[in-house]
Amino acid sequence: TQLLEQSPQFLSIQEGENLTVYCNSSSVFSSLQWYRQEPGEGPVLLVTVVTGGEVKKLKRLTFQFGDARKDSSLHITAAQPGDTGLYLCAGGSAGNNRKLIWGLGTSLAVNP
Amino acid sequence: NAGVTQTPKFQVLKTGQSMTLQCAQDMNHEYMSWYRQDPGMGLRLIHYSVGAGITDQGEVPNGYNVSRSTTEDFPLRLLSAAPSQTSVYFCASRFQGLNTEAFFGQGTRLTVV
Repeated sequence: TQLLEQSPQFLSIQEGENLTVYCNSSSVFSSLQWYRQEPGEGPVLLVTVVTGGEVKKLKRLTFQFGDARKDSSLHITAAQPGDTGLYLCAGGSAGNNRKLIWGLGTSLAVNP
Repeated sequence: NAGVTQTPKFQVLKTGQSMTLQCAQDMNHEYMSWYRQDPGMGLRLIHYSVGAGITDQGEVPNGYNVSRSTTEDFPLRLLSAAPSQTSVYFCASRFQGLNTEAFFGQGTRLTVV
């Protein structure tokens, strides 16, 4: 059974601080996706990484896929209150009927 | 483009009642899924479909039925509601290929009393 472990589960920081969220597995994935969910809404895709070692940047957010394609990280520089939300990682693979495997999420609160 | 449309947004049911959660997408996606989201338990897959006429169970299918008669629609039926089915339900759709983006509806907050 493929599992994705996300850490930390909760994070409360002050505006301007940096943070990193981790998504780890013992399984290899063909891709890792990061989604952000705001209260009362469905998750929205931030990024997809598909190549081992790949790094993608989205303004102040940096996403990295591990060399072995078993883990990923999300780093936010100079967090802002607008970054508050639930961050979810999801792993994709060709097997398992192409179902996405979801981490439990990291709830981030950025205080002004 | 409407994307994924879920109705209703809120619902209160009495134990034993049945209801159908509606989900429609206008992106011609083959793959559609129903999830429930509970505090501390993440998104759990209830049922999914890889195309019209094809459905399969996810990790928590008991108490729920689905059908996929068209590409666009994927309704979720609660046969006899139980308090344990109190949750937020999300419908999602995506193209069948690898690494494709999942688009979610706004969710249905269901309370069973």
